[in-house]
Amino acid sequence: EAGVTQFPSHSVIEKGQTVTLRCDPISGHDNLYWYRRVMGKEIKFLLHFVKESKQDESGMPNNRFLAERTGGTYSTLKVQPAELEDSGVYFCASTKQGAYNEQFFGPGTRLTVL
Amino acid sequence: DAKTTQPPSMDCAEGRAANLPCNHSTISGNEYVYWYRQIHSQGPQYIIHGLKNNETNEMASLIITEDRKSSTLILPHATLRDTAVYYCIVRVGGWQGAQKLVFGQGTRLTINP
Repeated sequence: EAGVTQFPSHSVIEKGQTVTLRCDPISGHDNLYWYRRVMGKEIKFLLHFVKESKQDESGMPNNRFLAERTGGTYSTLKVQPAELEDSGVYFCASTKQGAYNEQFFGPGTRLTVL
Repeated sequence: DAKTTQPPSMDCAEGRAANLPCNHSTISGNEYVYWYRQIHSQGPQYIIHGLKNNETNEMASLIITEDRKSSTLILPHATLRDTAVYYCIVRVGGWQGAQKLVFGQGTRLTINP
């Protein structure tokens, strides 16, 4: 079984540009989560999808961040425009409905905003 | 905010048991104790979870005190590949366990040869 995959693994952009991160959860997993770790801080929750619906977006830092999960499969996280403080590692995780004990994490996308 | 307290770092000799403590004095009756770890540059990895009974799986054992205010994760025979940051997380389980994970600073465990 393939794990959670994320693309790209690393992105370097200029301040003010737009970047889109992609997450492909494990097939059949209805729950999809985005987390991030910015320099020197803990891993922080961003939002949670159940299928294509946003269940909890309480961790989204501001309206420069837009997450989508059209069709309930893969998800994208767009940052527009990117700021220096957005630099960090963005993780995606998934769980299947009815088995919430273990969140399976992807390898992360390292975002560097210059 | 994280509801757990962990030592920032620990060392353990290869082949020995690594015992990682966690305090969660404000844990509620319906909250479980979860452990994850993050090996350098990888995503966090689930290890084990428990409610009040001790638990064991192929990776580790989890010992929860009777009052549930603290717990210990035990890696019985630590290897160099167990060097990682270990996170103790308290959250509800079951269907409500679909909620987010709240990570603290964790314990940086270094296994020495």
